[in-house]
Formats: sequence, C-alpha cells, structure tokens
Amino acid sequence: QVQLQESGPGLVKPSQTLSLTCSVSGGSISSDSSGVYYWNWIRQHPEKGLEWIGYIYYSGDTFSNPSLKSRLTISVDTSKNQFSLKLNSVTAADTAVYFCARMIPRAREFDHWGQGILVTVSS
Amino acid sequence: DIQLTQSPSSLSASVGDRVTITCRARQTVSTYLSWYQQKPGKAPKLLIYAASSLQSGVPSRFSGSGSGTDFTLSISSLQPEDFATYYCQQSYSPPWTFGQGTKVEVK
Repeated sequence: QVQLQESGPGLVKPSQTLSLTCSVSGGSISSDSSGVYYWNWIRQHPEKGLEWIGYIYYSGDTFSNPSLKSRLTISVDTSKNQFSLKLNSVTAADTAVYFCARMIPRAREFDHWGQGILVTVSS
Repeated sequence: DIQLTQSPSSLSASVGDRVTITCRARQTVSTYLSWYQQKPGKAPKLLIYAASSLQSGVPSRFSGSGSGTDFTLSISSLQPEDFATYYCQQSYSPPWTFGQGTKVEVK
C-alpha cells in the first residue's frame, strides 16, 4: 500500500523559503506496471478549500500553478523515493496545510494523499 | 483556469436521507472529474473518479454522474460517518482545480 508523508519546518519567517519533502513508501516514485504517476503538492488555507500547487514526474518534468510559478520549485530524488517543494518569498498568505498526493494516469485522480503538514508563516 | 462551482455550499441532512451535490464547470472537463470527501484534520479521500466510477473500497451508497460541464455526487442513504465536506476536482486541463466544497452537516 502506497503511503506518502510530508516533512519540514512548521514555522517559516516572512520573506524566507518554505521547504517541504514528501517521502513515498510502499511503491516506487518512478514508473511501474500501472504507468507513470504525477506527484503533486496541494495546499489548504485555514478553514478554506483546496489549491493545487504543482506536480512533477519521476523524470523531473514539472507543471506549476501559474499563480505560484514565479516562487515555486518542485524537484524529485528517485534514489530516495522523495519529491520536494520550495516556495520562496513567503508571506502570511502562504500559511496553510500542505499535502502531497499521487495522481494516477487512469483518469488523472488523486488516489493517495499524505496526512498534511501545517506551515505557519510568522515572524 | 477551469472554475468549478459546487452547490449548495452547505446542507443539513439526517441519517437515511438522500443527498445530492452538484458541480458545474465553466468549460468542458469531459469526464475528468473526481469527488473527494474530507473530514476535519484529515486529508481528502477519493470517492469517485472519471465522473461516475466508484473508487475501490468506497461504499456503494456513493454515486457520481455527469459529463461535460455538469456533474452530481449522490449519497443514497446518509450514514453517520458521511458528515464531512465534499469537493469536486477537474483534471481535464492544468492547472487542476477544485470546487469550493460542500459541507454536509447534521440536521
């Protein structure tokens, strides 16, 4: 059973860089018999809805939400079965629960999610 | 971006009720539409993919329908564990987008 787990600092100062890692266990971050997966970051502001941040393939190809693209870097480390998020120049508006999630090629749905990590931007 | 609008934003219902939630896309998403259930403090859980396919392990009281721009999620007989917030999500064209959510509360 595939499991995803987010890790990183829970508190980031304004103007600094938010860095998170998603560790994947129980399956490979690279392709398998089911196909090639999209590895995603999604966030949820307090008491709000869900906002998709971006995805990365195991090959390193990425696609980011245009609203965040200028501040965003998503990378993958297949040797560690991990992918990462870096969001720079953060403000209080970036305070949210950050989820990592796997999207499968069947109908491009998010079938596995991490538990989420709350990141607060505050001095 | 493809905007998704859910209605209602919230509803009150009783155990045993039939519940229907709608999701309307501003432009076609074909059948690249999924539904998720989220409980407080938890990650969303996939219920329905490809507009009408039931995810493995999800009770059959959940069903989805629609294509193009109009979709529905139905719960045939609401159970106590179904009180939660429900989101639709499109993956027809990136950036992937979510509806604003529908909170199903106890009447």
